[in-house]
Amino acid sequence: EPEVTQTPSHQVTQMGQEVILRCVPISNHLYFYWYRQILGQKVEFLVSFYNNEISEKSEIFDDQFSVERPDGSNFTLKIRSTKLEDSAMYFCASHRGSNEKLFFGSGTQLSVL
Amino acid sequence: AQSVTQLGSHVSVSEGALVLLRCNYSSSVPPYLFWYVQYPNQGLQLLLKYTTGATLVKGINGFEAEFKKSETSFHLTKPSAHMSDAAEYFCAVTHPGTGFQKLVFGTGTRLLVSP
Repeated sequence: EPEVTQTPSHQVTQMGQEVILRCVPISNHLYFYWYRQILGQKVEFLVSFYNNEISEKSEIFDDQFSVERPDGSNFTLKIRSTKLEDSAMYFCASHRGSNEKLFFGSGTQLSVL
Repeated sequence: AQSVTQLGSHVSVSEGALVLLRCNYSSSVPPYLFWYVQYPNQGLQLLLKYTTGATLVKGINGFEAEFKKSETSFHLTKPSAHMSDAAEYFCAVTHPGTGFQKLVFGTGTRLLVSP
C-alpha cells in the first residue's frame, strides 16, 4: 500500500527556534493535512490544504505556523518561533478525492526544550 | 460542533476473547464515523468507516462496528482477540459535504491482549 512519508521521525529544538517538518504525501493525492497529538491528549486538526492554498485552519494554527507545497511533492509545516507547548507528535495526512481514504504518515515527534 | 467520547483509556482482554471498544459521538448533522488504529512507532491506519448505507461496517483484521443513531454510538468489536491487535485505537467523526476530512478524534483506547 502507498505511504505518506514524514521526516525526521524525531526533532529536538530550542525554544524560539524555527523548525520545518517535512512530509511527502502519496503522489496522486490532492488534499493535504497536518494534525498533532500532544502527549496524553487527543489528535487535533491543524490545517487542510488543497489547490495550493489553505482551505481551513484551526485556532491552534496561528501566525507562527505556515504550510507550503514548494515543489509538487513535499508538503511542509513551519513553526516560526517554537514554544514549549508546541512539543507534540505531528502527523501529515493526504487523500486523493473527496471522502476517499485518508492516509497518515508515521509522525514527527517534536520536542521543544 | 462535533465530538467523540471513547470510554476507557485502557481495555484488557485475553487472547481469543471478544474485543469491545466504545465510542459515542455528538453531531448536529449526520456524521461520518471512523476507527483508526495506531501501532507503536507507526502512523494512524484506517480500520473502517461509516458514511451512509449499511449500519454494520466491516473493516480490516476482522474488526467491525455498528452505527446506532438512536444510541449515538459506533462501538468497535472483534469476536476473537489476537496478540497482534494490541495497539491504540481512535474513534473519529467528521461531517460530509465539503470533501475534506477534518476529523475530530477521541482520546484513544489502548487495547492490551494477554496470552
